[in-house]
Amino acid sequence: EVQLVESGGGLVKPGGSLRLSCAASGFAFSSYSMNWVRQAPGKGLEWVSTISGTKSDVYYADSVKGRFTISRDTAKNSLELQMNNLRAEDTAVYYCARDLDYGLGSYFFDQWGPGTLVTVSS
Amino acid sequence: DIQMTQSPSSVSASVGDRVTITCRASQGIRTWVAWYQQKPGKAPKVLIYAASTLLTGVPSRFSGSGSGTDFTLTISSLQPEDFATYYCQQSNRFPLTFGGGTKVEIK
Repeated sequence: EVQLVESGGGLVKPGGSLRLSCAASGFAFSSYSMNWVRQAPGKGLEWVSTISGTKSDVYYADSVKGRFTISRDTAKNSLELQMNNLRAEDTAVYYCARDLDYGLGSYFFDQWGPGTLVTVSS
Repeated sequence: DIQMTQSPSSVSASVGDRVTITCRASQGIRTWVAWYQQKPGKAPKVLIYAASTLLTGVPSRFSGSGSGTDFTLTISSLQPEDFATYYCQQSNRFPLTFGGGTKVEIK
């Protein structure tokens, strides 16, 4: 069974940093592109970042470029998101999501974790 | 960036009704569209990808159509478990973008 479980969320002050993790199991982790998608309270879905299975391709939303860094640890089957210089508008539930396609990315998301809440507030 | 404009933003419907949700892309995206269902407090669930391909296990009352800029999600006969918010998403190019969502509510 495919499982994705996020951790690392919490309350942080503006300008602070947080590192999110997503533990993946039940599939060939290194063969799938992985993604972070967020949802501000009461709002819609916003794509944040994507990393290919080979780690050679990385993409970011303009709203987080230069502040967030996506990475993956194949040995640990883990996806990470390092978030620096956090702003109030980064407050959201952050979801880890797997690409639907094995190998080549489709950039659709077929498996999601339950999410972890990040709150940026003084 | 490709904007995905969903309509309506909400719809009130009864069990058994046919419901249609549309999504318009700001530029042509061939069939690079997926549809997701999200229930309160839960992660989204993909229903359809590549505009019209139903995921395994998704009931056949859900269908998708369209190409280019105009896309449609149809629920042929609304069931109690279908009351949720639905999102379209394009993957034609980065940044990946979602529609604003359509909340399907009980009439």
